[in-house]
Amino acid sequence: DIEMIQSPDSLPVSLGERATINCKSSQTVLNSSNNKNYLGWYQQKPGQPPKLLIYWASIRESGVPDRFSGSGSGTDFTLTISSLQAEDVAVYYCEQYYSPPWTFGQGTKVEIK
Amino acid sequence: EVQLVQSGAEMKKPGESLTISCKGSGYTFTTYWISWVRQMPGKGLEWMGKIDPRESYTNYSPSFQGHVTITADKSIRTAHLQWSSLKASDTAMYYCATSYSDHGALEYWGQGTLVSVSS
Repeated sequence: DIEMIQSPDSLPVSLGERATINCKSSQTVLNSSNNKNYLGWYQQKPGQPPKLLIYWASIRESGVPDRFSGSGSGTDFTLTISSLQAEDVAVYYCEQYYSPPWTFGQGTKVEIK
Repeated sequence: EVQLVQSGAEMKKPGESLTISCKGSGYTFTTYWISWVRQMPGKGLEWMGKIDPRESYTNYSPSFQGHVTITADKSIRTAHLQWSSLKASDTAMYYCATSYSDHGALEYWGQGTLVSVSS
């Protein structure tokens, strides 16, 4: 199984400041045949199902604000919130869907400092 | 509009059997795999497995293989998650999810089904 490790576990950030979440996979999730990383980022607010923010490591899902961005390739990935808004308080998960069983990171809780 | 609607909350005793469901609408049900994801109280997301609704091919996480069964009935556009003998440790929220795009990430999610198992 591909293990996904996120850091940090908890991230206090002031409103308007940048939030950066890291995700590292134990094996590459880059498909060399199409040069795409099979890595997604999800946001989960209390009492709600997860919401897809980013797929293929860097492509924003339709309707997701452009303050959310994803980067990285191979085994190291980053989700950045450029200017934290109050509504961004949530737990964020990375997920690899390159090789079954698909696996999630343990989650990073973003809160207001 | 793509929607996945799950069955309601369940309260069961250890050893009982249970089937929960996930009904798809607004898209071609047989086109994309449906996954099931577990979230234990206060914990993270765990991918359990997925099913191809067209042919009922399944792929399970080793962590769940043998303890749950995923099925689908394309005639009623519904996927199921089944337990033959529940344990207290099965207490969790269960989500179904699917991708309606070639990228494969889980872009549509059901509202979740809370399963509580207690004697």
